[in-house]
Amino acid sequence: AQSVTQLDSQVPVFEEAPVELRCNYSSSVSVYLFWYVQYPNQGLQLLLKYLSGSTLVKGINGFEAEFNKSQTSFHLRKPSVHISDTAEYFCAVSGGGATNKLIFGTGTLLAVQP
Amino acid sequence: DTAVSQTPKYLVTQMGNDKSIKCEQNLGHDTMYWYKQDSKKFLKIMFSYNNKELIINETVPNRFSPKSPDKAHLNLHINSLELGDSAVYFCASSHAQGYEQYFGPGTRLTVT
Repeated sequence: AQSVTQLDSQVPVFEEAPVELRCNYSSSVSVYLFWYVQYPNQGLQLLLKYLSGSTLVKGINGFEAEFNKSQTSFHLRKPSVHISDTAEYFCAVSGGGATNKLIFGTGTLLAVQP
Repeated sequence: DTAVSQTPKYLVTQMGNDKSIKCEQNLGHDTMYWYKQDSKKFLKIMFSYNNKELIINETVPNRFSPKSPDKAHLNLHINSLELGDSAVYFCASSHAQGYEQYFGPGTRLTVT
């Protein structure tokens, strides 16, 4: 079975400061990892994904994440946040294949303050 | 625009009623999904269809019945609505055997 843990339910940060949102996963099979962002009252938008290859993946809006197999982590980072980055961020894992269902973490609210 | 669309965006109804939510994607994907997001924002898969065939059916009450008339559409019909069905329902799609899923804007269902 697969699971995802996002330990931080809320991360307050000042504008232009760096941020890291933590994500740990567990899986007995190969994993494919994703970060999605949900702005207030909107759907989920794919930020970035790790399927294979380079462990450092870059996404939209200046975000990046690093896949660390030994630590079973996929933390999301941004060197300088903007007010507009305020949103809920979800880490998700999938085993791919025929079922390909996404297992989501509980989400982290990134609250950027001026 | 190429996207996943859902109708309606908001749905308010009374307990015991039957309602449907429609989803359409024009991304050329083979697989479509329904997810439920509860009041604490937790997202959980309900169903997935691949080329009109049911692939995933998580432990969802049988009051919920997905219907896929073709691979571009996946509708969700809910019978005898209960208060606990109040949530945001998201449709998503992906390529068969593909990995990333693209989500619709969601349907906020409120049962009173």
